This record gives sequence, C-alpha cells and structure tokens, in this order.
Amino acid sequence: NAGVTQTPKFRILKIGQSMTLQCTQDMNHNYMYWYRQDPGMGLKLIYYSVGAGITDKGEVPNGYNVSRSTTEDFPLRLELAAPSQTSVYFCASSYGGPGANVLTFGAGSRLTVL
Amino acid sequence: GQSLEQPSEVTAVEGAIVQINCTYQTSGFYGLSWYQQHDGGAPTFLSYNGLDGLEETGRFSSFLSRSDSYGYLLLQELQMKDSASYFCAASNRDDKIIFGKGTRLHILP
Repeated sequence: NAGVTQTPKFRILKIGQSMTLQCTQDMNHNYMYWYRQDPGMGLKLIYYSVGAGITDKGEVPNGYNVSRSTTEDFPLRLELAAPSQTSVYFCASSYGGPGANVLTFGAGSRLTVL
Repeated sequence: GQSLEQPSEVTAVEGAIVQINCTYQTSGFYGLSWYQQHDGGAPTFLSYNGLDGLEETGRFSSFLSRSDSYGYLLLQELQMKDSASYFCAASNRDDKIIFGKGTRLHILP
C-alpha cells in the first residue's frame, strides 16, 4: 500500500498564482487533514474532512480551499499565492474520530512563493 | 483558543532517560498523542493517551493527567537515532487535531 501520497514534492510559485496540492490515500480512511509547517515550528491545521462531501476549517484556513468529493482524495487549493504561504504542507489521514485518530502523514509538499 | 505548550529544546545523554512535558488548553479535549519528526521527514505516530495514566510502547511511554491538563513522553535507553523533534497533539471532540510547537531533542554521545 502507498499510504498517503502528496504531489508535487516541491513547487515555486509567483505571487498571485494559484495551484492545487494533491493528496490521495489508499487506506480507506474517513478522516483527512491538511497542515502547514513553517521552519522550526509546529503543524498548523488548515482544513480537515471527516468524510466525502464534508469539510471544516482548521486554525489557519484563510487563503486556502479544499474539497472532498471522494474518500481517497483531499486536494488543497491556494488562490492568489502570497509569500506568507511559503511553507511545507502535510496531508494526513486517519481511520476514525477523536479516539481512533492515529494520523498517517504524507511525505510533504514544499512550497515557495516569490 | 486552543494551545499546547512544550519545551522548545531538551538535551540528554545517550543511554539515559528523558521526559518531554506538554500542557494543553483546548475545548472539548478527547486525548493526547505524540509524534516524532526527523529533519526533512514527515511526522510519525508514537503514542496515544485517551485515559489518564501511563501507556508503554517499547522504549517509549506516555502519560496523561486530565485533571492537570498535562502529559509527558518518556524516552528510555536513548539512542542517537532518537535525535528528532517531538510533538504533542490534542484530539478534540470536534475532530480537530491541534499540535504543539514541538520539542527538539539533542542527544550527546
């Protein structure tokens, strides 16, 4: 099994450009999460989803959008990229709710906005 | 708001024991998890406490006290490969999982 797969691994964007970070998991997990991690910092929750068709805002949702049309995929869209969005983005999934949420992380997507 | 506090850095000697503390303030707290992250890598799950008390998994143990809003990760028989960042994370009833800023563990030979 591949687990959680994120693409691309690296990307450089110009200010004002848009892009989508892809995340797919093959573990049939219901819960999926997007985090960003700035250098030397912890992970900040951007958006999360508890199942197909359901998404919710996390701690830092501004400037991002998500969709969850299938159980497997949870893409993160950046509209009008800004330098403040330079970060490493991690997608994660888990099987169940608060009592069963061992997160499996993807390898990360490093985004630079210039 | 929701926040988790943990020391930014801890240093220990190879073969020794180290404890990394975490205090939390979250609404609808459900449980506390711990993750390890090596430089350039992704976080990996270590341990979860849904109930008060100690959970042991090999060289790693984790503790939770709900009444004190406090937990810790205990690493025994430290090895050089344990040099990494360690994050506590609070699971909440609204399904959010909030992370602390992480503790960088330095191990001296």
